[in-house]
Amino acid sequence: DIQMTQSPSSLSASVGDRVTITCRAAQSISSSLNWYQQKPGKAPKLLIYTASSLQSGVPSRFSGSGSGTDFTLTISNVQPEDFTTYYCQQSYSLPLTFGGGTKVEIK
Amino acid sequence: QVQLQESGPGLVEPSQTLSLTCTVSGGSITSGSSYWSWIRQPAGKGLEWIGRIYGSGTSNQNPSLKSRLTISVDTSKNQFSLKLYSVTAADTAVYYCARQSYNSGWNWLDPWGQGILVTVSS
Repeated sequence: DIQMTQSPSSLSASVGDRVTITCRAAQSISSSLNWYQQKPGKAPKLLIYTASSLQSGVPSRFSGSGSGTDFTLTISNVQPEDFTTYYCQQSYSLPLTFGGGTKVEIK
Repeated sequence: QVQLQESGPGLVEPSQTLSLTCTVSGGSITSGSSYWSWIRQPAGKGLEWIGRIYGSGTSNQNPSLKSRLTISVDTSKNQFSLKLYSVTAADTAVYYCARQSYNSGWNWLDPWGQGILVTVSS
């Protein structure tokens, strides 16, 4: 299994801040990395696929970068609806595996 | 657009079998570019991929669950199903179904069903 490590596990930010979440794979996964947003009581929602491609309908303040083992999700100008939990997921090999999640809280 | 909906019992007794079905609407489960996955999430915890199935019936399971797991497909009903045997309290979770879409070799999980809470308890 490919272990995915997210950091930090939680962070505090203010509306308008720039937020960065990191995801590290235990081995190289090329660009096979996806990001999801999950709000309480809801299913995860795809934000970014293949490391840097923005899913249709997702605001452009979300962006992704990286390849190999190190990846980043950035939220520029964070909005009130962005304060929730984010997960990375590798799609390089089975079993699919997820990071432990990052909770973005209001400062 | 494709939508998924989980259904099944919300309460299962220990040592019994957990059975869930995911109904796909807005598209065919035999689409050549899609696998159909199950994922679960215990309360307050992270996401665990359970397994997936292709429209032809080919399946893959998470090795951590493989000995207790069957995933099947019913193309006539546009549904796929999960059976998890000999459940314990550790199997209590919200269970999601999702489409694993492929494009040029890359893949991702989208969309997801709304999820169904399954509690293992007597």
